[in-house]
Amino acid sequence: GAGVSQSPRYKVAKRGQDVALRCDPISGHVSLFWYQQALGQGPEFLTYFQNEAQLDKSGLPSDRFFAERPEGSVSTLKIQRTQQEDSAVYLCASSLDGQGAGGYTFGSGTRLTVV
Amino acid sequence: SQQGEEDPQALSIQEGENATMNCSYKTSINNLQWYRQNSGRGLVHLILIRSNEREKHSGRLRVTLDTSKKSSSLLITASRAADTASYFCALHQAGTALIFGKGTTLSVSS
Repeated sequence: GAGVSQSPRYKVAKRGQDVALRCDPISGHVSLFWYQQALGQGPEFLTYFQNEAQLDKSGLPSDRFFAERPEGSVSTLKIQRTQQEDSAVYLCASSLDGQGAGGYTFGSGTRLTVV
Repeated sequence: SQQGEEDPQALSIQEGENATMNCSYKTSINNLQWYRQNSGRGLVHLILIRSNEREKHSGRLRVTLDTSKKSSSLLITASRAADTASYFCALHQAGTALIFGKGTTLSVSS
């Protein structure tokens, strides 16, 4: 596609519910990144993939967070047993090169609200 | 902290004025990037400056980098209402993903 596509755009989850957020990167982009952005803050790194390999997951806040990119294209960020502190915008970005030294292209994000 | 720190946190100017925002950091970097985020949207890459560069221009944008002071500045000349957004600096280090600062919120009034 022409850009990075994320779905759903908005998600309301009841506390304790599992959610899955999807990211469709630009075709051919090697690297894919997930960030979490709280209101009024900058994006906080969660994890990144180079093709299907998850090279860094040091930013995932707990073992309730899990990300995958099984075929090196679409990625899913899953949050199990959601908590109120998980409410944030989840941003996905992709980059043509490894690690994105040349700049990232971001999707519009998924706004997750846990009630 | 590895992230950049933007200054000021918020900036309000009139259309036609110049806007300057700064980013300071503490680690060594490969490059420094600036992004813009309009309310409720994703981030848009504006400009990248490598560690061996001192200044870059792109349209109305001018970025400087001083690696000895570990600081960068973004200048937007002749600002427009459409420039109203949050601006983030992001640090690129070898082997890591970009680390973003907390941003500067720019408001341009007509």
